[in-house]
Formats: sequence, structure tokens, C-alpha cells
Amino acid sequence: DQQVKQNSPSLSVQEGRISILNCDYTNSMFDYFLWYKKYPAEGPTFLISISSIKDKNEDGRFTVFLNKSAKHLSLHIVPSQPGDSAVYFCAASQSFGNEKLTFGTGTRLTIIP
Amino acid sequence: EADIYQTPRYLVIGTGKKITLECSQTMGHDKMYWYQQDPGMELHLIHYSYGVNSTEKGDLSSESTVSRIRTEHFPLTLESARPSHTSQYLCASTLGGQAAYEQYFGPGTRLTVT
Repeated sequence: DQQVKQNSPSLSVQEGRISILNCDYTNSMFDYFLWYKKYPAEGPTFLISISSIKDKNEDGRFTVFLNKSAKHLSLHIVPSQPGDSAVYFCAASQSFGNEKLTFGTGTRLTIIP
Repeated sequence: EADIYQTPRYLVIGTGKKITLECSQTMGHDKMYWYQQDPGMELHLIHYSYGVNSTEKGDLSSESTVSRIRTEHFPLTLESARPSHTSQYLCASTLGGQAAYEQYFGPGTRLTVT
């Protein structure tokens, strides 16, 4: 049973526009969420995170929004740049006594120049 | 910049061979993890360690074994490789505490068993 779902396997966005990547989760015990970015032939790199006590976290061009009632989070990239082309993974964790991450299947983002 | 290394990066090996995938980190992190990922799929946790002489199995059952004799080293061993073991194996580490979830990943080992 997949507890973290990224239903869009791919997304194409024009350079300069907003990229919105979505993630849904089913486990209500998850209280910490992360986004990772992965280039081909490299390991994932941490991008941004959010705790369940917040509904928004911003870091430069990247903003993560969390809607706990809908069990949904999204990553916004504004403006999108060609270097943002990568696979983006959503991950979730339960903080109390368990720091293991559960990952989604990823969304391949392609920025069109 | 995180310093976590994996060797080999690519490995093609015949069925029945014993293999060890190496993972080392120079950040002094106590917590280390092994993930397995097939193309287009999520990363599955197969082993983790919270410190020296501590190893636990992850959420995905795996025939591999791990050891943690030194803080910086977390090798994964397959005693007898099979084609079903073909996958990408990713090693990660984290400092723990408030930064526990921000795992740093190595570049991965892509294993092909023929």
C-alpha cells in the first residue's frame, strides 16, 4: 500500500513560469514532509521541508504548501529555470520515535527554454 | 556539501556471485540508511543503522545484509546475487536531532545481475 503518492509521473513547464508539483499521503501519523531533487546518475538532494505545525515554508524560489485536512502538499517553483529539470520526490516521516522516510514515486519535471 | 561516497557506481555481475556495495561518509553522522529503487518507482528502505553495531531491517524485505563496525562505513552484502537483485542501491546518512529527516544521499550503485 503506497502511503505517499505522486500521481503525475511527468510535468513540462515553460522557463520563467511556475512549476507546481503535487503529493498526497494517506498516513495521518506523518508529521514531517520533505522534497528531494534527483538528477540522472546522482543521488537525491534535499530541497525543502515542512513540519505539520506549519502550512507554508519558503526558501528562495521554492515554496512548499501543506494542507493537512486534505493530506496534500505541493511544491511551487517560481520562476522555473532550465536547471530545475530533474525528478522530484516527495517524502514523509513520523517524528515521534521514527525518523524513517517514506518516498513517493517521483515526478519528472522538464523546463522548456 | 555532503560527503557520502558509494562504490562501485555501476556493477554487472553473474548469478551466484557474492558482492559488497560500499558506502562511506566523512560527516560523522550516526544514522545511515540503504534504499533500493527500481526505475520509475519510489525509494524503498531496506536497512538502517543508528550507530556502530546497530543495524535494522527496513520496510522492504531484502536478502542483503549490512554491517556497521565503524561510524563512517556501512557496507551492504549480497551473498549470492540473482537477477531479481538488479536495481539501484542508494546509501544515505543524517546527523539526527532536528536535522534527522534531511538525509544526505550518495550517488548510488546501479547493479545488474545477469
